Amino acid sequence: GQQLNQSPQSMFIQEGEDVSMNCTSSSIFNTWLWYKQDPGEGPVLLIALYKAGELTSNGRLTAQFGITRKDSYLNISASIPSDVGIYFCAGASGATNKLIFGTGTLLAVQP
Amino acid sequence: GAVVSQHPSRVICKSGTSVKIECRSLDFQATTMFWYRQFPKQSLMLMATSNEGSKATYEQGVEKDKFLINHASLTLSTLTVTSAHPEDSSFYICSAPVGSTNEKLFFGSGTQLSVL
Repeated sequence: GQQLNQSPQSMFIQEGEDVSMNCTSSSIFNTWLWYKQDPGEGPVLLIALYKAGELTSNGRLTAQFGITRKDSYLNISASIPSDVGIYFCAGASGATNKLIFGTGTLLAVQP
Repeated sequence: GAVVSQHPSRVICKSGTSVKIECRSLDFQATTMFWYRQFPKQSLMLMATSNEGSKATYEQGVEKDKFLINHASLTLSTLTVTSAHPEDSSFYICSAPVGSTNEKLFFGSGTQLSVL
């Protein structure tokens, strides 16, 4: 099935550092969503974006819907150990609003 | 956020048996639910769209006779893995959309299926 290109694949950072990850597609999306998944659990929705250029924050997390509608970015400021997990972007388009997921970014935070 | 309950969380079965996984929307109604499969260290792959009161829509490459989906009510969808084989071992996750245009997906906690 189709997947979005997400980078970086993994990140190993020190507590307190800022983190940036992005997601790109060859197709245009109407909605971009960012999820976090802990081991053995389902993904949890972090941020939803609905308009090109939109910038939305959720606590220390900020995400942007790219102007071209083919990309999105997630930033985490002042990382803490509980930020550890796999972050997935997801895009939706068309009437069905089926979500296509990115390849994921594994984040490890060292205290 | 909306709550989606999935059961069981883990199942181990013998090859050739069938396994049923339930997905419930606890505080909202869902005319549509989605079933995903996730292999270790990989992303989520959409298997099928479950439609209340009608047949499910399967993604390309997913065998509808192998993965039976029933969406008999507005709060319950079930996925049955029939005649399971070791290659069916995976993490199965259901989800339901919420929002004015069903743009947000909330996920269940997933079911880890291990077929011996």
